[in-house]
Amino acid sequence: GQNIDQPTEMTATEGAIVQINCTYQTSGFNGLFWYQQHAGEAPTFLSYNVLDGLEEKGRFSSFLSRSKGYSYLLLKELQMKDSASYLCAVSSNYQLIWGAGTKLIIKP
Amino acid sequence: SAVISQKPSRDICQRGTSLTIQCQVDSQVTMMFWYRQQPGQSLTLIATANQGSEATYESGFVIDKFPISRPNLTFSTLTVSNMSPEDSSIYLCSVEDRNPPDNEQFFGPGTRLTVL
Repeated sequence: GQNIDQPTEMTATEGAIVQINCTYQTSGFNGLFWYQQHAGEAPTFLSYNVLDGLEEKGRFSSFLSRSKGYSYLLLKELQMKDSASYLCAVSSNYQLIWGAGTKLIIKP
Repeated sequence: SAVISQKPSRDICQRGTSLTIQCQVDSQVTMMFWYRQQPGQSLTLIATANQGSEATYESGFVIDKFPISRPNLTFSTLTVSNMSPEDSSIYLCSVEDRNPPDNEQFFGPGTRLTVL
């Protein structure tokens, strides 16, 4: 079967660093996406990894290990506006399989 | 990136009625998708809207309940038929940008549906 696991909820402090993990088991792999979704809004694209390693985009970085079926999203210098759900999605046979999302709560 | 609009943004409907949701894209796209997102849940793909042919439905979704039209490369509709309270959800249209290196999907703002 196809399965994507990520923690349901995480809490972090403003200004700190947080790492959101995602593990996956899929029949195919064409890349892994991270999306951000604020409450009541549509998801917005954050990052895409298709090769092993770290992709950095400003305060956000995403890491992929295909052999381990593992990715993480790293958020640095957390701001209150980073409070949102973070969705991991795997492109398997060119169809997106979505994780349930991790709700990130930022405390002052 | 594509700009996507959806109408209506929200609606409250009576049980047994039907609602048609429209999705308009500002550029021609090959792949358009319809998702459902129930409260506190992740995204569930309903179907892929194919231009000029019948939509491709995922397991658990059927054409009689969720008829889809795709008359051209910039527009699609999803109808939620014979609604029940279990259909209360956010319905999202998305398109895929196949320009490498990022084949990401872009989402419309969603339609929040409440069925009484």
